[in-house]
Amino acid sequence: DGGITQSPKYLFRKEGQNVTLSCEQNLNHDAMYWYRQDPGQGLRLIYYSQIVNDFQKGDIAEGYSVSREKKESFPLTVTSAQKNPTAFYLCASSIPGQGAGNIQYFGAGTRLSVL
Amino acid sequence: AQKVTQAQTEISVVEKEDVTLDCVYETRDTTYYLFWYKQPPSGELVFLIRRNSFDEQNEISGRYSWNFQKSTSSFNFTITASQVVDSAVYFCALPHTGNQFYFGTGTSLTVIP
Repeated sequence: DGGITQSPKYLFRKEGQNVTLSCEQNLNHDAMYWYRQDPGQGLRLIYYSQIVNDFQKGDIAEGYSVSREKKESFPLTVTSAQKNPTAFYLCASSIPGQGAGNIQYFGAGTRLSVL
Repeated sequence: AQKVTQAQTEISVVEKEDVTLDCVYETRDTTYYLFWYKQPPSGELVFLIRRNSFDEQNEISGRYSWNFQKSTSSFNFTITASQVVDSAVYFCALPHTGNQFYFGTGTSLTVIP
């Protein structure tokens, strides 16, 4: 079955530690996205990538980093510079396009907490 | 700038009641798309509908229907004869250049058996 796999489902971070969230898709989509969800705030875009080896910052990129070395994979690193990382993180993918309106398909999310 | 407002934070209805979820948007784009997604307790967002701004016809899919009105910048979602399985958080979204989605803050729907 085609889809988006996020791992782990739950993740705990210690002070000063970097952690990496995995996102893999087998939908053959070129575009991938990372969102952060906080209670009562909806989803906010962290980073997105329209093609391999290229990515752009979203509205809340500070304290996060990404890479896009393979079409299927778009890992997100939450760095120690992110002072409030506790949130639910969602990865999505879509077919590419310069315009807007392509359906984004989502993974099941990773819940990150600070120890 | 794109903006989506879902003023209803939480709604509770008794099973079999009809319920309407409101979505009001702001955009300077002349053509645009609007989306609705469902987020069940499992966490994954599930795509429900995409509507192009050219098409203002209402859409019905089973118990779901959508009312798109450009004159009031609204894209409301109605569930008829609600069921417990409809309990979820529902998001309205408006994409912008580069397919960046702007989401509303969501409406949490609880259907009471």
